[in-house]
Amino acid sequence: DIQMTQSPTSLSASVGDRVTITCQASQDINNYLNWYQQKPGKAPKLLIYDASNLESGVPSRFSGSGSGTDFTFTISSLQPEDFTTYYCQQYDSLPLTFGGGTKVEIK
Amino acid sequence: QVQLQESGPGLVKPSETLSLSCIVSGVSIRSYYWNWIRQPPGKGLEWIGYIYHSGTISYNPSLKDRVTISLDTARNQFSLKMNSVTAADTAVYYCASQREGFNYWGQGTLVTVSS
Repeated sequence: DIQMTQSPTSLSASVGDRVTITCQASQDINNYLNWYQQKPGKAPKLLIYDASNLESGVPSRFSGSGSGTDFTFTISSLQPEDFTTYYCQQYDSLPLTFGGGTKVEIK
Repeated sequence: QVQLQESGPGLVKPSETLSLSCIVSGVSIRSYYWNWIRQPPGKGLEWIGYIYHSGTISYNPSLKDRVTISLDTARNQFSLKMNSVTAADTAVYYCASQREGFNYWGQGTLVTVSS
């Protein structure tokens, strides 16, 4: 299985801050990497697919980059509704696997 | 719009079989890969498996011996069966479609394994 290591596991930030989350794959996954946002009690929501493509309807303050084994997810200016948990997920190889999640908290 | 709705018992006894269905509306079941994903309370996400209308099926090896996913194209729905459940299978179970990412999700259903 491909292991997805997300860091940090949590972070504290303020509204308006720029936030970066990283995801490292245990082997090359090309650009087959997706990012999700999950709010408490809700299903995850796809934000970024194929490492850097913004899903339709997702605000442009969210972005992604990377390829191979190292990926970055960025929120350019944190909004109050962005304080929640984010996951990366690879689909290069089966089984499909997720990172452990990053909780973004209010400082 | 596309909607997915899970249904099934919220409580299952240990050693019995968990059975869930996902009704899909707003899109043909022939359009995407159809997945089951679960999330134990307070923990991360685990992919269970997927099915495609061509007959392609894949399961997570960690669950493969206990899981069956099936598709009913006439009723536009797909199903999950997991046998020999234990308390470790207590989780919110989601159904989701997959293009590149999991683009549409059900709201999730909590299944508790307890006697």
